[in-house]
Amino acid sequence: KAGVTQTPRYLIKTRGQQVTLSCSPISGHRSVSWYQQTPGQGLQFLFEYFSETQRNKGNFPGRFSGRQFSNSRSEMNVSTLELGDSALYLCASSLELVTEAFFGQGTRLTVV
Amino acid sequence: GQQLNQSPQSMFIQEGEDVSMNCTSSSIFNTWLWYKQDPGEGPVLLIALYKAGELTSNGRLTAQFGITRKDSFLNISASIPSDVGIYFCAGWPGGGSQGNLIFGKGTKLSVKP
Repeated sequence: KAGVTQTPRYLIKTRGQQVTLSCSPISGHRSVSWYQQTPGQGLQFLFEYFSETQRNKGNFPGRFSGRQFSNSRSEMNVSTLELGDSALYLCASSLELVTEAFFGQGTRLTVV
Repeated sequence: GQQLNQSPQSMFIQEGEDVSMNCTSSSIFNTWLWYKQDPGEGPVLLIALYKAGELTSNGRLTAQFGITRKDSFLNISASIPSDVGIYFCAGWPGGGSQGNLIFGKGTKLSVKP
């Protein structure tokens, strides 16, 4: 069974640009969560989607948004990129509840 | 908001030694998870705990769900060089479909051959 797949693995963007990251969950998993990981702040929860609806949201500005498609694949978008958005963005999928979440390899975003 | 205090922050041990780390919280959790993360990779789930007092093993790893539901422990026996990495605890507060995983800051493990 394939694991969680995130694309792309690496991205370099310029301040002010926007970026879209993609996550394909494990087959059969309906919950997809997104996290931002930085050395200083650790793993911080962005949002969680279940059956195409945002079920939980963390404390990030509105520049961070996401969506989930009917096949459970999810995308997150960051608009008007700032230098501080440089981080490893991780996606995790789980069956229904967010317990036993399985992570992808992450997308390393660098904003210059 | 809810926070997890994970300790120690880092450990330097000799190959063959046992390792212990823990997470504590002021709030109760319904699920505790332990993950390991290698550099540049996503966290890998090691052990999941669902019941207060539960003790679960995965090879040389053993984790316990504290009886107060406010803490959890991870032990690694007879450490080997490939145990090197960052170990994270995560708690799920529960409450039906609500609530997201809360992560500790991690314990960085270094193993000297």
